[in-house]
Amino acid sequence: DTAVSQTPKYLVTQMGNDKSIKCEQNLGHDTMYWYKQDSKKFLKIMFSYNNKELIINETVPNRFSPKSPDKAHLNLHINSLELGDSAVYFCASSQVGRGSGYGYTFGSGTRLTVV
Amino acid sequence: AQKITQTQPGMFVQEKEAVTLDCTYDTSDPSYGLFWYKQPSSGEMIFLIYQGSYDQQNATEGRYSLNFQKARKSANLVISASQLGDSAMYFCAMRDLNTNAGKSTFGDGTTLTVKP
Repeated sequence: DTAVSQTPKYLVTQMGNDKSIKCEQNLGHDTMYWYKQDSKKFLKIMFSYNNKELIINETVPNRFSPKSPDKAHLNLHINSLELGDSAVYFCASSQVGRGSGYGYTFGSGTRLTVV
Repeated sequence: AQKITQTQPGMFVQEKEAVTLDCTYDTSDPSYGLFWYKQPSSGEMIFLIYQGSYDQQNATEGRYSLNFQKARKSANLVISASQLGDSAMYFCAMRDLNTNAGKSTFGDGTTLTVKP
């Protein structure tokens, strides 16, 4: 059973299109994230949701909109895709109650290529 | 603000030898966690080991150990008896433990190559 399931794994699309990436976790974790990994492998947080509530929105363009219908799901919708959006997008989950030291469990990543 | 520095872009080690990957950090948070992740060429991210800032003992997980020196603000990863499958990119990360945000800040990574 996959712990953090992320789909699709690959996404190739044209500039200007709108696309979504889905993420589901079956670990019972209370917090989910979207991270972006660029071509130099730098990992940067985009969003964090704790029990369905948006906690972190790290200066991400408004074209990116996360949605968390329940604490097991976190989707990412991207409008008007640009060439610079090409990257690998990782969903992750963790249990982050105060003092908790759980590491992240990552999804397999979505390689987005905008042409 | 938190900052993670990994000064070794690439490292080589002979199979069966030990290797240390460096990580230094900076934070004003009184309670924080330090983490190491592995990213093989297949692309997935794998959590390896965790060290809490108040933990007295260095963390160990199988062949992985974390050499935590709080005064020096360093959290180096030691891999013993390297195997070919250890060839990957390794990321050091930290997180403030006094928040529900759970945001982790990652270093730039170190690419480890294990030679046969």
